[in-house]
Amino acid sequence: DAGVTQSPTHLIKTRGQQVTLRCSPKSGHDTVSWYQQALGQGPQFIFQYYEEEERQRGNFPDRFSGHQFPNYSSELNVNALLLGDSALYLCASSRDRADTEAFFGQGTRLTVV
Amino acid sequence: GEDVEQSLFLSVREGDSSVINCTYTDSSSTYLYWYKQEPGAGLQLLTYIFSNMDMKQDQRLTVLLNKKDKHLSLRIADTQTGDSAIYFCAEKNQAGTALIFGKGTTLSVSS
Repeated sequence: DAGVTQSPTHLIKTRGQQVTLRCSPKSGHDTVSWYQQALGQGPQFIFQYYEEEERQRGNFPDRFSGHQFPNYSSELNVNALLLGDSALYLCASSRDRADTEAFFGQGTRLTVV
Repeated sequence: GEDVEQSLFLSVREGDSSVINCTYTDSSSTYLYWYKQEPGAGLQLLTYIFSNMDMKQDQRLTVLLNKKDKHLSLRIADTQTGDSAIYFCAEKNQAGTALIFGKGTTLSVSS
C-alpha cells in the first residue's frame, strides 16, 4: 500500500503565478482534505472533497480551489500567489468524510518568491 | 470557537518519560488525536482517543483525557533519540470532518 502520495515534493513559484498540487489518496479511501502548514505553525484546514464535491471549507480565500477526480485523487489550485502562500501543503485521506483516522502525505513545499 | 493549545518545547534525557500536554476548547469533540512530524516530513498518526474514554495505552504511548478540564496528554515511556520530533494535538471540528491542530510541541531527546 503506497499510502497517501503527493506531487511535486518541492516547487518554487513567482508572486502572481498559479500553482497546482496533486494528491493520490490511500487505497480504499474516498475523501481528501487539504491543509496548509506555515513555518512553525500547526496545519490549517483548507477544504475537503468527497464524491467529487467540496464538502467543507476552512477560512481561506477563493484563490484556493480544488478538484476531486472519479478515482478519488485530488488537486489543489492556488491563483495569484502571494509571498504568504509559502508553506507546506499537506493532503490527508480517509475512508469517508467523518472517518476516525486521517492519513497524511509527505506534503508539497511551496516557496513563493 | 474551536482552539487547541500546547506548550511549545520539551527537553528530556534518553530513557526518561516524556509528557506532552494539550488543552482544547470544543467540549463536543468526539475524537482527539496525537500526530508526530519529523523534520521535512508529513504527519504520522500516533494514536487517538474517543471522548468517552479516560485513558488509552499503545505500547510506549499512553494518552490521558480529562474531559472536564478539556486536557489531553501524551506520555512516551523510555523516550529514545528517535522520538525527537514535533508532536501535534488535534481535535475534530464540530462538523466532524476537519482536524483542528495546535501549534505543536518540539520534543528534544538528548543521550
